[in-house]
Amino acid sequence: EVHLVESGGGLVKPGGSLRLSCAASGFTFNDYYMNWVRQAPGKGLEWVSSITSGYSYIYYAESVKGRFTISRDNAKNSLYLQMNSLRADDTAIYYCARENLAAAAPWFDYWGQGTLVTVSS
Amino acid sequence: NFMLTQPHSVSESPGKTVTISCTRSSGSIASNYVQWYQQRPGSPPTTVIYEDSQRPSGVPDRFSGSIDSSSNSASLTISRLKTEDEADYFCQSYDSTSKVFGGGTKLTVL
Repeated sequence: EVHLVESGGGLVKPGGSLRLSCAASGFTFNDYYMNWVRQAPGKGLEWVSSITSGYSYIYYAESVKGRFTISRDNAKNSLYLQMNSLRADDTAIYYCARENLAAAAPWFDYWGQGTLVTVSS
Repeated sequence: NFMLTQPHSVSESPGKTVTISCTRSSGSIASNYVQWYQQRPGSPPTTVIYEDSQRPSGVPDRFSGSIDSSSNSASLTISRLKTEDEADYFCQSYDSTSKVFGGGTKLTVL
């Protein structure tokens, strides 16, 4: 069974940094593209970043470009998001999401439960 | 980049049919597949439609998806509504470098 478990969230001051992790199990991690998607309290979903299986391509939303860095360690079946220069509007639940491998379109077939990041002084 | 616009909320009675729209701001709706996610309070999203009209295994055939090039929009239709369908629904599409979500629609089944 596929499991994605995020960790690393918490309370951080504006301008601070945080590193999120996502531990994957139940599938061959290095075959799959992975993503971070966030959801501000009471708001909609916002795609944050993607990384391909072989690290070939990395993409970011404009709202986080230059501040966030996505990475993965296929040997540890883990996905990461390094978040720097955090702002109040980065406050959200951050979900790790797997992209379906066989589809013609990129869609998310499994999601973690999320980890809450709160940016506040 | 483009935006996907959804109605903020819709409501309908159990047993009826409801349709949620998702309008693309620029570029053709047909040029990139649309997905639909259901999200109940306190839970992560789950996929109910992918590639415009495909249902993942386990999703009942009461859920269907379509696109309409004339209105440049996608639609999620839920028939024979049940109270358990009450949730937020998000459409999603993509371009060569990003994924885009609609703002979400709150479905109330009353």
